[in-house]
Amino acid sequence: NAGVTQTPKFQVLKTGQSMTLQCAQDMNHEYMSWYRQDPGMGLRLIHYSVGAGITDQGEVPNGYNVSRSTTEDFPLRLLSAAPSQTSVYFCASSYSPSGGLNTQYFGPGTRLTVL
Amino acid sequence: TQLLEQSPQFLSIQEGENLTVYCNSSSVFSSLQWYRQEPGEGPVLLVTVVTGGEVKKLKRLTFQFGDARKDSSLHITAAQPGDTGLYLCAGAPTGGGNKLTFGTGTQLKVEL
Repeated sequence: NAGVTQTPKFQVLKTGQSMTLQCAQDMNHEYMSWYRQDPGMGLRLIHYSVGAGITDQGEVPNGYNVSRSTTEDFPLRLLSAAPSQTSVYFCASSYSPSGGLNTQYFGPGTRLTVL
Repeated sequence: TQLLEQSPQFLSIQEGENLTVYCNSSSVFSSLQWYRQEPGEGPVLLVTVVTGGEVKKLKRLTFQFGDARKDSSLHITAAQPGDTGLYLCAGAPTGGGNKLTFGTGTQLKVEL
């Protein structure tokens, strides 16, 4: 199993550009999520999904869109990049039976710089 | 919004020393996890504690969940350079599920 994969690993954008961060998992996990990590702030939840076709907002959703058309893929779209979106982005997945908390498996991250 | 504050933010110690990292909140969590993250990688789960007052040991690491389920601590005995990394606590909401709130992180460096 490859686990959780993310592409690209590094990306530089100019202000106003759009792009999609890719995330895929091969563990048949229902729950997937996107976080951003900034120094001194831990990880903050952007969007999450409890299954194909179902997405919801996290703590910091503004400027980002997601969709979940398949169990395996959960792309994150930046609509119009801003310097404040410079960060490291992590995708995570977990098996999600009702009422349970399970191990979240993280991808290796995408380091994004917006100039 | 549930917040988790970790202390200290940075910790630099010599090999063989003991240390404790704290994770505190004013909110109650149904369970709490500790993750360790190395540079250029995603966090990796170390432990999950689910019961107030619970203590779990993982070799030289001891994790405790507060009685009121609002706080947790991680104690490392005889730290080694391989323990170097960013330690993150993460709390799960009382309604259950996987929507975690992460702490602010503790960067640990263990030197020879």
